[in-house]
Amino acid sequence: NAGVTQTPKFRILKIGQSMTLQCTQDMNHNYMYWYRQDPGMGLKLIYYSVGAGITDKGEVPNGYNVSRSTTEDFPLRLELAAPSQTSVYFCASSRTSGRGNTGELFFGEGSRLTVL
Amino acid sequence: AQRVTQPEKLLSVFKGAPVELKCNYSYSGSPELFWYVQYSRQRLQLLLRHISRESIKGFTADLNKGETSFHLKKPFAQEEDSAMYYCAPFNYGQNFVFGPGTRLSVLP
Repeated sequence: NAGVTQTPKFRILKIGQSMTLQCTQDMNHNYMYWYRQDPGMGLKLIYYSVGAGITDKGEVPNGYNVSRSTTEDFPLRLELAAPSQTSVYFCASSRTSGRGNTGELFFGEGSRLTVL
Repeated sequence: AQRVTQPEKLLSVFKGAPVELKCNYSYSGSPELFWYVQYSRQRLQLLLRHISRESIKGFTADLNKGETSFHLKKPFAQEEDSAMYYCAPFNYGQNFVFGPGTRLSVLP
């Protein structure tokens, strides 16, 4: 199994451009997440989804949009890119149990985005 | 507010020395505690969770509810332990809050 796959791995954008970070998982996990990692700041949750058709904002959603049309895919859209969105982005997924989210996250390799 | 602190951004130890990565949390409810690790050029992955009470790669972590701490320890550090370590409390039904991370560098 591939696990969680993110594309692209690297991207440079100009201010005001838009792009979509792709994320797909083949583990049939219900929960999916997008995080951003800034130097020295840990991971901040952007958006998450508890299942197909359901998305919700995390801690830092401004400037981003997501969709979850299938269980496998959870793309992250950046509209009107700004230098403050320069970061490393991680997609993750987790499975559910009788109590809901089991708590173990499976991460993609990350996407390094630079906005100039 | 939920908060996780890892006071050391960088921790350097010599091979064979004991290592302790500190984690303190301020969290509602009774969270489960996790440690995640990111080795160079690899993806973030789960190292251990306190509920399992197991030792992974020689690492252990004890949850101290009184001090709200979950420090990660290893008695004899190895060079392959060099990595970024993140403490993450978790309440079922909610989302993770990750600490800022500690970079462990094990020197030969």
